[in-house]
Amino acid sequence: SYVLTQPPSVSVAPRQTARITCGGNNIGSKSVHWYQQKPGQAPVLVVYDNSDRPSGIPERFSGSNSGNTATLTISRVEAGDEADYYCQVWDTTSDPPYVFGAGTTVTVL
Amino acid sequence: QVQLVQSGAEVKKPGSSVKVSCKASRGTINNYAISWVRQAPGQGLEWMGGIIPIFGTPKYAQKFQGRVTLTADKSTNTAYMELTSLRSDDTAIYYCARDRYGGNPPNAFDIWGQGTMVNVSS
Repeated sequence: SYVLTQPPSVSVAPRQTARITCGGNNIGSKSVHWYQQKPGQAPVLVVYDNSDRPSGIPERFSGSNSGNTATLTISRVEAGDEADYYCQVWDTTSDPPYVFGAGTTVTVL
Repeated sequence: QVQLVQSGAEVKKPGSSVKVSCKASRGTINNYAISWVRQAPGQGLEWMGGIIPIFGTPKYAQKFQGRVTLTADKSTNTAYMELTSLRSDDTAIYYCARDRYGGNPPNAFDIWGQGTMVNVSS
């Protein structure tokens, strides 16, 4: 099965930049999607297809993907960005084919 | 904007079954590629299965094969997930989610239900 590797946690000061990585074998050849999940809430899609944002998602959220690493970048971090973030890809040869990373907890200091 | 509204929390005994519903507020459920994702307490997201057009029939993760059944009722615009032979480690929040491309090709989940807590306990 295809494996996505995320750091368990990232800490960032307000107004600074948080970068959350998602590692996978040749992940640059796949479309990577990112979800934000706050406690007690359902996940929310914040970036799809590596770098596109759904309507309503602030421009502070951006994504990139190349080689073996995809990255979600949160600029000018706010207290409200504190949440768990998950990357996800579709891999036709994997089981399950929709693959999630284990998640990264972003703490705003 | 379509919403997915799930049924309420369930408490089940080990060995029993649970059936969770997911109703679309607009549109036609059969036109959506609805997947089911679960999250055990304090854990990450786990895809269980989905009705994905490119597969023709419901697609299940191997881990749940034989225990999970996904269906959809066009007349009520509702998708269902039934999980049988429940164990304590099936205690989790179960989400339905829509693939933004209708699953063709499979992509991201842009709309999620609010989640249904299933507690399996003797």
